[in-house]
Amino acid sequence: GPKVLQIPSHQIIDMGQMVTLNCDPVSNHLYFYWYKQILGQQMEFLVNFYNGKVMEKSKLFKDQFSVERPDGSYFTLKIQPTALEDSAVYFCASSPDRGQLYFGSGTRLTVL
Amino acid sequence: QQKVQQSPESLIVPEGGMASLNCTSSDRNVDYFWWYRQHSGKSPKMLMSIFSNGEKEEGRFTVHLNKASLHTSLHIRDSQPSDSALYLCAVGGSNAKLTFGKGTKLSVKS
Repeated sequence: GPKVLQIPSHQIIDMGQMVTLNCDPVSNHLYFYWYKQILGQQMEFLVNFYNGKVMEKSKLFKDQFSVERPDGSYFTLKIQPTALEDSAVYFCASSPDRGQLYFGSGTRLTVL
Repeated sequence: QQKVQQSPESLIVPEGGMASLNCTSSDRNVDYFWWYRQHSGKSPKMLMSIFSNGEKEEGRFTVHLNKASLHTSLHIRDSQPSDSALYLCAVGGSNAKLTFGKGTKLSVKS
């Protein structure tokens, strides 16, 4: 099936540093998402966008977070500065239609 | 309060048995319901969707939806050890946001 690629798979950084998580979505998909999951618990919605524009951000999407799609292909989630509570697995997903999400394998972020 | 309530939190069924999972939304603005499955250490994968009242069957999996009560259920017959996973219910509305419940952890014992 369609593949969403996420890099890196793991990232360890010191608190206060900046981190950029990268996602290469399925090429013809229109909707893009970022989710946060702590220790195999609930998938928490962060942000979604469509047609290059942010559609909705959750309360978890703090001011330190930003999303971009620099060249129209891959898209990024940037956290600057990072905090201890940002440690989690971050999943990106793309979708051709509402609800039908294809998830990447996730980036495990550890903030020390 | 959680917008998507799933029950039970965990479930153990014998191999070959029937597993029944429940999900209710408290948001009346939802348009569609999805079920995803997440094996340990992996990303969620789509299982089934349901958009209108009634029942939908795909192989060993059956989904029911009652839109009036915003309740959906997933039933897995002839459960296999490979079905052991976290089952996530997700609801969506017009803004394409998909909200997940906390999940039901299913263990199938051989």
